[in-house]
This record gives sequence, C-alpha cells and structure tokens, in this order.
Amino acid sequence: QKEVEQDPGPLSVPEGAIVSLNCTYSNSAFQYFMWYRQYSRKGPELLMYTYSSGNKEDGRFTAQVDKSSKYISLFIRDSQPSDSATYLCAMSAGGRRALTFGSGTRLQVQP
Amino acid sequence: DAGITQSPRHKVTETGTPVTLRCHQTENHRYMYWYRQDPGHGLRLIHYSYGVKDTDKGEVSDGYSVSRSKTEDFLLTLESATSSQTSVYFCAISASEYGYTFGSGTRLTVV
Repeated sequence: QKEVEQDPGPLSVPEGAIVSLNCTYSNSAFQYFMWYRQYSRKGPELLMYTYSSGNKEDGRFTAQVDKSSKYISLFIRDSQPSDSATYLCAMSAGGRRALTFGSGTRLQVQP
Repeated sequence: DAGITQSPRHKVTETGTPVTLRCHQTENHRYMYWYRQDPGHGLRLIHYSYGVKDTDKGEVSDGYSVSRSKTEDFLLTLESATSSQTSVYFCAISASEYGYTFGSGTRLTVV
C-alpha cells in the first residue's frame, strides 16, 4: 500500500465550480504538507503549503490538513480553465530528506 | 524555471548504454534531488544530495548512481539503461522545508 493515496481522476468541472482535491496518508510522522500544480510537459510548481494541522487560504485556494484523520484537502473556488492541470499532494517528516508524493489528480475546468 | 536547469530535455537511447542527466542550479542550495515521474506513481525519489560529495539513496535507486562534485551540479547516471527506466526525470532544489523548486524535466526513452 502506498504511503500517500490520491484519486487520479480525471475530474471535470464547469467554470466557476468549487473543486475539492484530497489525499490520505499513512505515515503519522508527516508534518509538512504541500500541493503542487503541474501543467502538461512542465515541472511541478508549489501552490500551497501548511505545517501540521489547520487551514491556510491564498486567494481562491484553501489547503486543509486533518492529522487526526491523516487527510489533506485543497479547495479551489471559482475555478477557471487556466486551473486545468494535474494537482499533486506532497508531504514530508522534515529534515529535507524527501518529499512523498501522491500520484496526482488531473483536473479539467470546462469553459 | 528560475535557478535550475536540466539537460538534455529529451533523449532516446538504446538498452544497455550509459546515460547521464545533468542538473544545474544557480541558487547555491545545499539540497538537490532526482525524481522520476511515471503514470500512476506520481514522483518518486531516486537519490538526493545534502552537500558536495554527500548523497543518499531514495525509494527507487536501483540502477542509478549520482555524483555531486560542485554545489551547482548534480548528475544522474544510468549505468546500463533498461526499458523500465523510460520515464520523465525531474531535478529539484530545496531552500526550506517547503521551498522545493523543480526543473522542467528530461524525457528519457530507452528503446
């Protein structure tokens, strides 16, 4: 079983919809949680990050971490066609030894 | 991508030949990483470096070696390429627990 599970999608939504992306994990040592966005044939780029539990908001994006349930979420409000990409969750226990990634969810926002 | 360059961007090679991929950074960061990305697996860590001549293995290190003789360069070598090493390879640098920046990737095809 993978340490980080993520639904691969694809997820197709109409423009303006609220999108919810999720990951579950099994390693209770994970403390740093990140969401990356990856456009086709590009490298991943950091979108949001949180430490331990709680919420973080940045514009249309909200990241949530529930360590008790080992569950993290990314919400995208007022989704735009430019949000169409693959979203990868990533997490680490710290020490910068490695990030453990989910397999990515492909999102398509229809105009 | 700012401060990190991968070369080559694309490569086709024959089974059994050696291949070296290069990652170059201009940020003077201590930590550098090599990941591979395959469908259904997200990004998986191959090797990482925490300083000149200091490297360690990741989750999928078999068949790969690395070298770091200068802060700015991290080389990934496939000693004898196999078809299972056909993948997209990403280099990353880390400025902090959250600050991982990825290169644009190298698409390697082993025929």
